[in-house]
Amino acid sequence: EIVMTQTPLSLSVTPGQPASISCKSSQSLQDRDGRTYLSWYLQKPGQPPQLLMYEVYNRFSGVPDTFSGSGSGTDFTLEISRVEAEDVGVYYCMQGLQNPRTFGPGTKVDLK
Amino acid sequence: EVQLVESGGGLVQPGRSLTLSCAASGFSVGDYAMTWVRQAPGKGLEWVGLIRSKSYGGTTDYAASVRGRFTISRDDSKNIAYLRMNYLRTEDTAVYYCARSFERRLDLWGQGILVVVSS
Repeated sequence: EIVMTQTPLSLSVTPGQPASISCKSSQSLQDRDGRTYLSWYLQKPGQPPQLLMYEVYNRFSGVPDTFSGSGSGTDFTLEISRVEAEDVGVYYCMQGLQNPRTFGPGTKVDLK
Repeated sequence: EVQLVESGGGLVQPGRSLTLSCAASGFSVGDYAMTWVRQAPGKGLEWVGLIRSKSYGGTTDYAASVRGRFTISRDDSKNIAYLRMNYLRTEDTAVYYCARSFERRLDLWGQGILVVVSS
């Protein structure tokens, strides 16, 4: 089973300031097809998770360009260029390389 | 509208069974891998299992924690995916989400349904 870790586990950000979340996997998430199966999800308070990014750096439909993803192999980063009130919640990374799919523990983002 | 709606949750005693349903609209469940994810109270997300699309044979995979107790299936004619949970334990208490899997990402989620296992 691939183990996913995230840092930090909690982040308090001033509105308008940037934020960065790191996600690491216990093995490379690049498949034989050359694609890297790392996705990011945001769970806003009281809501189900929603897809933000897939295959490291692709924004899902409707996700603002203040979100960006980077990384390769086992190390990945989600960045928010300017945090807004609607960005508050818990962010999870998930590996899609193999079953069982595994999620990171989550990073809780709130506003200062 | 493309959406997923879970139903069938509630309070159940340890050792008993429960079946959750995930009704899809706007797409066919048979064309996608349908996934179940759960979230224990105050905890993170845990992948439960999936059923592959028709084109991938409709086979299933499960997390070790539920393998042999839970079964995922679907009824293409009703456009519903199911999660049959047998021999429930208190640690199965969680909100259960169904999600659509497309190219190894979960691009559509239901609102979730609460299952409480308690005597």
